[in-house]
Amino acid sequence: NAGVTQTPKFRILKIGQSMTLQCTQDMNHNYMYWYRQDPGMGLKLIYYSVGAGITDKGEVPNGYNVSRSTTEDFPLRLELAAPSQTSVYFCASSPTGTDINSPLHFGNGTRLTVT
Amino acid sequence: AQSVTQLDSQVPVFEEAPVELRCNYSSSVSVYLFWYVQYPNQGLQLLLKYLSGSTLVKGINGFEAEFNKSQTSFHLRKPSVHISDTAEYFCAVSDNNNDMRFGAGTRLTVKP
Repeated sequence: NAGVTQTPKFRILKIGQSMTLQCTQDMNHNYMYWYRQDPGMGLKLIYYSVGAGITDKGEVPNGYNVSRSTTEDFPLRLELAAPSQTSVYFCASSPTGTDINSPLHFGNGTRLTVT
Repeated sequence: AQSVTQLDSQVPVFEEAPVELRCNYSSSVSVYLFWYVQYPNQGLQLLLKYLSGSTLVKGINGFEAEFNKSQTSFHLRKPSVHISDTAEYFCAVSDNNNDMRFGAGTRLTVKP
């Protein structure tokens, strides 16, 4: 059982380039999330999805886009990379949201550097 | 919106010593409280969680946390740490509205 899989593990982008961070889960979870983790800042929610075809903004959505065409996949797209987007990105999933019976399952992260 | 403050960014401790990682939260509604652990180059894993009931919550790996409503705290404790407990620990609060807020993290370093 793979859980939540993120690719790539590492990526270096030049300013203005675009890329897609991939996230897939094999647990049939309805809810999926994208967080970014910056040193000393904890995790900030970028976007989330409560099911296929439904997405919503989190705390820090600017500069990112998402789509959810299937239950399994929740890609995160950066259109015009900026140095401020240098971070570690985590994808997570859960069966029924962020409630007490539904802990988040995290991927191992994607470390992105924009120079 | 709810928020979380972890009072210590780094906690060094010797092996077999007790440890407490402090967490305070703020919210205007009932919340769920969580502690997650992150080992190097990995995602976060759930240690324990609190909704209601007993204020002392036991989690995996010998960790426990105590919910204190009057002090709005949810401190994490372990009576005797091991080298393998070296990791970053995150306190989190959720209002069950898909808005889980994480603290900045506490890096626990266990020294031999």
